[in-house]
Amino acid sequence: AQKVTQAQTEISVVEKEDVTLDCVYETRDTTYYLFWYKQPPSGELVFLIRRNSFDEQNEISGRYSWNFQKSTSSFNFTITASQVVDSAVYFCALSDSLRFRGSQGNLIFGKGTKLSVKP
Amino acid sequence: EAQVTQNPRYLITVTGKKLTVTCSQNMNHEYMSWYRQDPGLGLRQIYYSMNVEVTDKGDVPEGYKVSRKEKRNFPLILESPSPNQTSLYFCASSSPGQGATIGQYFGPGTRLTVL
Repeated sequence: AQKVTQAQTEISVVEKEDVTLDCVYETRDTTYYLFWYKQPPSGELVFLIRRNSFDEQNEISGRYSWNFQKSTSSFNFTITASQVVDSAVYFCALSDSLRFRGSQGNLIFGKGTKLSVKP
Repeated sequence: EAQVTQNPRYLITVTGKKLTVTCSQNMNHEYMSWYRQDPGLGLRQIYYSMNVEVTDKGDVPEGYKVSRKEKRNFPLILESPSPNQTSLYFCASSSPGQGATIGQYFGPGTRLTVL
């Protein structure tokens, strides 16, 4: 069964601390995509990254970095030198071709991690 | 600008009063879907459509209807809303042949309250 687990429900850090958000996924498919989204208090979903299953290279974008490890089925997200504006709910998601006949458009979401960054 | 739009953005209604939430995309995407977001549950898929006149149930379809008469529009219909449908709703679109679109396009959300 396809599943995404974000074990951390809430995390609170002080500004400038580094923080890692964990994501563990389950899928039987060998071809899949993994995603991270940010949902600020205003409610919209902000797309952060998409990674396909054949690309295990870690990615860095400014203060954000992602560590994809197929061996442990994890796709963790690290924010370096956190800022108050990083306060949001973060969702990890999975899309695989088994979900509905090859279209790969459906996403399975984790329950989210609420990050609070205090000044 | 490539986008998914939803209307209304906010809606307060009463039990049993039929309502429709519209979703429209301007990217000629074949695939569209609806999700609902509830506290502690993440987003769950309600219905999806792989193309015009092709729709199917997601994980939580009870109490909802959809239609796909045009490629750009995918309205979500609540024939008889109930308080347990109070939620934040998101529409999404993508194109199966364009991997770069998968998961990238979501509407701004519709916050629905059913009293």
